[in-house]
Amino acid sequence: ETGVTQSPTHLIKTRGQQVTLRCSSQSGHNTVSWYQQALGQGPQFIFQYYREEENGRGNFPPRFSGLQFPNYSSELNVNALELDDSALYLCASSLTPRGADTQYFGPGTRLTVL
Amino acid sequence: AQRVTQPEKLLSVFKGAPVELKCNYSYSGSPELFWYVQYSRQRLQLLLRHISRESIKGFTADLNKGETSFHLKKPFAQEEDSAMYYCALYGQNFVFGPGTRLSVLP
Repeated sequence: ETGVTQSPTHLIKTRGQQVTLRCSSQSGHNTVSWYQQALGQGPQFIFQYYREEENGRGNFPPRFSGLQFPNYSSELNVNALELDDSALYLCASSLTPRGADTQYFGPGTRLTVL
Repeated sequence: AQRVTQPEKLLSVFKGAPVELKCNYSYSGSPELFWYVQYSRQRLQLLLRHISRESIKGFTADLNKGETSFHLKKPFAQEEDSAMYYCALYGQNFVFGPGTRLSVLP
């Protein structure tokens, strides 16, 4: 059983650009959640995907979008990047969307927007 | 609305001393509460959840619905407990607190 992986580790973009972050869930985990963690803060829920469909969304604008694929991989896309999008982006996989199921976090992607 | 507060950004205790990391929440329904921990250069991981009523690495946490609190306690802190601790609530989705950095001094 492999852990959750994310790529790339670091990324630098300029304001207005678009970015795609990738996550590979643990095998067999049908649920992936994405979080934004700004410096000095806790993770903030962006959205969750369950069996390739969006299953919940936090307070983030539509320029944050996602995809989940049958092979347990997923993407977070952010359009029209803003300076405030600079943060650590975490994905977490779990067996089901139930809150009681353990979430397994990836190491994160550090995004810097200049 | 769902909200989690952790009043202490940093908590320093000496090895062997008791430790309590505070967490308060607001949620209109019946929440599920969790503590997550991040050790240095490691990823965020689940420490314990209130429904399990378990003790992990000597830590316990009791859900107090009257005070809307879920404080994390350990009677005798160890140096290896030094880490970032996040309290989290699951209602409609996961909400994390801002975290408390625990530093256990030798």
